[in-house]
Amino acid sequence: GENVEQHPSTLSVQEGDSAVIKCTYSDSASNYFPWYKQELGKGPQLIIDIRSNVGEKKDQRIAVTLNKTAKHFSLHITETQPEDSAVYFCAASRGHNDMRFGAGTRLTVKP
Amino acid sequence: ETGVTQTPRHLVMGMTNKKSLKCEQHLGHNAMYWYKQSAKKPLELMFVYSLEERVENNSVPSRFSPECPNSSHLFLHLHTLQPEDSALYLCASSQSREGAGYTFGSGTRLTVV
Repeated sequence: GENVEQHPSTLSVQEGDSAVIKCTYSDSASNYFPWYKQELGKGPQLIIDIRSNVGEKKDQRIAVTLNKTAKHFSLHITETQPEDSAVYFCAASRGHNDMRFGAGTRLTVKP
Repeated sequence: ETGVTQTPRHLVMGMTNKKSLKCEQHLGHNAMYWYKQSAKKPLELMFVYSLEERVENNSVPSRFSPECPNSSHLFLHLHTLQPEDSALYLCASSQSREGAGYTFGSGTRLTVV
């Protein structure tokens, strides 16, 4: 089945700096790549997603890039703020009902 | 609130107990999922229900038994669990179509003693 690798497992940045989280996937048929943010005591929440027919998508301070040839995709957060501190998960799926997740990245933004 | 409600939020049970986790969504979704979240591991897909039929059982031990009485409700029945089953159990829902994002509940923190 699908295998999603995520790096780094922890990331600490200074407020205002950028943060980048990278994921790779194994199933070349994957065509949907969402990113989730999980705050303490809550379930993961979808923050942005990208489909295989698009190379980049941006929503305010967050952006995702997708390289289908290399089978990797990344989350970029610019101008980080303390409230961005959370665990971020990437995921990949090739159909419906088959979402597979990375192990997560704990992002800490230091004020 | 995400629209997916899980109860209880916390549960402590002995290895011989029987308990149930409940998940409810009123988002009009027709697929529901159980995931297990353990520290420093990827979210583990346990069960998938699509249109009230179980479409995946991801090699989960029989001490976990799911039930989906309708498209809005999902249960996970637990019996004779082991300490290694202690984890956060997350329920999610989505539309049953390609490229549909998931909406997660806040989870049930389960501790088996």
